[in-house]
Amino acid sequence: GAVVSQHPSWVICKSGTSVKIECRSLDFQATTMFWYRQFPKQSLMLMATSNEGSKATYEQGVEKDKFLINHASLTLSTLTVTSAHPEDSSFYICSARIRLGLRNEQFFGPGTRLTVL
Amino acid sequence: GIQVEQSPPDLILQEGANSTLRCNFSDSVNNLQWFHQNPWGQLINLFYIPSGTKQNGRLSATTVATERYSLLYISSSQTTDSGVYFCAVERGFGNEKLTFGTGTRLTIIP
Repeated sequence: GAVVSQHPSWVICKSGTSVKIECRSLDFQATTMFWYRQFPKQSLMLMATSNEGSKATYEQGVEKDKFLINHASLTLSTLTVTSAHPEDSSFYICSARIRLGLRNEQFFGPGTRLTVL
Repeated sequence: GIQVEQSPPDLILQEGANSTLRCNFSDSVNNLQWFHQNPWGQLINLFYIPSGTKQNGRLSATTVATERYSLLYISSSQTTDSGVYFCAVERGFGNEKLTFGTGTRLTIIP
């Protein structure tokens, strides 16, 4: 149980194009999902919290107009990198939260490696 | 915000060796998770352990919440244990997002 998928697993695009990444919870419903970014040999940095049916909450320094998040259902959140530039190249990872009483546990997707040429 | 430091940053061991990874955090937490990031980038949940001790096969973890640290023990290391180990904490009480530690890169040599 608690499987999270991401699609695509890798993408190469030209500068100026937009890229959409999907995150799905396969065997549970997730009212809250999270998007992270990871640079080589660094830790994960939280970009935004995605709440089903409402606007995402972005971390300080993350441009909400560049990284559009939509959480349209209890099993799907999408991240769209708009007008991508080479500095947006990174490893993007989503997670979904399971809440059982006081227990909050996050499960992670396999990540999407974005390369912008 | 809360600070999460892990040590050592890098560890190289022979197959069969045991290891202890440490996670220190700067404030009280409601949640602590340990993850293994494999060479392909996938984070695998190892333990949900805001306090106490848990064991799962060759791995065990202990969190002493009052002293703000957690330890991950790996016994009889195998090459498949290689990768980066992260601890992540959540403060709770309306601040329900994980803050990741700096990570420990473990390399197991055959």
